[in-house]
Amino acid sequence: AQSVAQPEDQVNVAEGNPLTVKCTYSVSGNPYLFWYVQYPNRGLQFLLKYITGDNLVKGSYGFEAEFNKSQTSFHLKKPSALVSDSALYFCAVRFPNDYKLSFGAGTTVTVRA
Amino acid sequence: EAGVAQSPRYKIIEKRQSVAFWCNPISGHATLYWYQQILGQGPKLLIQFQNNGVVDDSQLPKDRFSAERLKGVDSTLKIQPAKLEDSAVYLCASSLVRGGVGFEQYFGPGTRLTVT
Repeated sequence: AQSVAQPEDQVNVAEGNPLTVKCTYSVSGNPYLFWYVQYPNRGLQFLLKYITGDNLVKGSYGFEAEFNKSQTSFHLKKPSALVSDSALYFCAVRFPNDYKLSFGAGTTVTVRA
Repeated sequence: EAGVAQSPRYKIIEKRQSVAFWCNPISGHATLYWYQQILGQGPKLLIQFQNNGVVDDSQLPKDRFSAERLKGVDSTLKIQPAKLEDSAVYLCASSLVRGGVGFEQYFGPGTRLTVT
């Protein structure tokens, strides 16, 4: 069974500092990996995905994520965080031949001014 | 391009009552998903439609939950009778296709259900 873990329930950073949200997965093969963001009282918004190719993936709002196969990780990063980045972030994984997305429990990011 | 629409946004019911949620996916999206998101957890897939056919309902509590997607567009998710543990946000999502290019899922704003 595939699973994805977000080891940190909360991440707190100061505005302008780098932001990292961690995600690891425990599946074999070549999974597809995703990051979504959820703002209060709103649905999930797609940020970026890794399918194949370059391990560094760039997405919306200045976010990027690095796929590391040896460490089975897909950490989300932003070089300089904004207060408006405060939200709930979800990592998700799926296999190419399985159309189901499995989500992590989420990480709450708080960026203080 | 209009996003995924859901209604109602909020619903409060008593246990053992019934409730229905409606979803209208992005135009042209063949695949539709219903998720349940309990507070503090990630979304869990309840059911997936491809056009108007069910392709995965393995995690749908079929004794009380039902869903349909008539004509392969709008979808309705029903709970009857509701239990306290059904309190959650119910998210609808759609994607252009099930796999390959274009399979990113786009989510609606969700319906927050409170069962008292």
